[in-house]
Amino acid sequence: EDQVTQSPEALRLQEGESSSLNCSYTVSGLRGLFWYRQDPGKGPEFLFTLYSAGEEKEKERLKATLTKKESFLHITAPKPEDSATYLCAVRGGSNYKLTFGKGTLLTVNP
Amino acid sequence: SAVISQKPSRDICQRGTSLTIQCQVDSQVTMMFWYRQQPGQSLTLIATANQGSEATYESGFVIDKFPISRPNLTFSTLTVSNMSPEDSSIYLCSVDEVGGPVAGYTFGSGTRLTVV
Repeated sequence: EDQVTQSPEALRLQEGESSSLNCSYTVSGLRGLFWYRQDPGKGPEFLFTLYSAGEEKEKERLKATLTKKESFLHITAPKPEDSATYLCAVRGGSNYKLTFGKGTLLTVNP
Repeated sequence: SAVISQKPSRDICQRGTSLTIQCQVDSQVTMMFWYRQQPGQSLTLIATANQGSEATYESGFVIDKFPISRPNLTFSTLTVSNMSPEDSSIYLCSVDEVGGPVAGYTFGSGTRLTVV
């Protein structure tokens, strides 16, 4: 069974203080690792898909990386508007199911 | 990316009643998914809804409790039947856009259900 563990559960940063969120996973035949951002009262907003170890993707202050066992979401010089819950999910095997972690609640203080 | 509209956005229901949640997509999609997000828990897939065939349910979810309809390629409904307080959750509709420019799954804004 696919499993995803995210750490830390919560992270509080000062504006401009860079950090990383971790997503550890076990999956049979990785067919994609997905990062989402979720704001309160809203559905998850798609950020990145990574497919193979060594792959990296960037979007504004966010950069996602992937190894065979984990993914990192690096946040460079965060701003208060980056405050949200960040979710990681994997798709494996021959089905279309996404298995999610519980998320990391990021708070960026001005 | 696809735009997904979910209705209602929130509701408070009495135990023992049923609620039907609607999911409308602005483009034709093959696969639609229904997820549940309970407080402090991961998003969990309830079922996959395919047009023209029965929905496929994940372990722990049954058709009698969560009947799903998929009448066409842009619309689906999820019914939460005979509700109890344990059904209080956020229910989310999602579509697969992995093969397109988005390269991911797109989610609706969710339905926040409270059962009293």
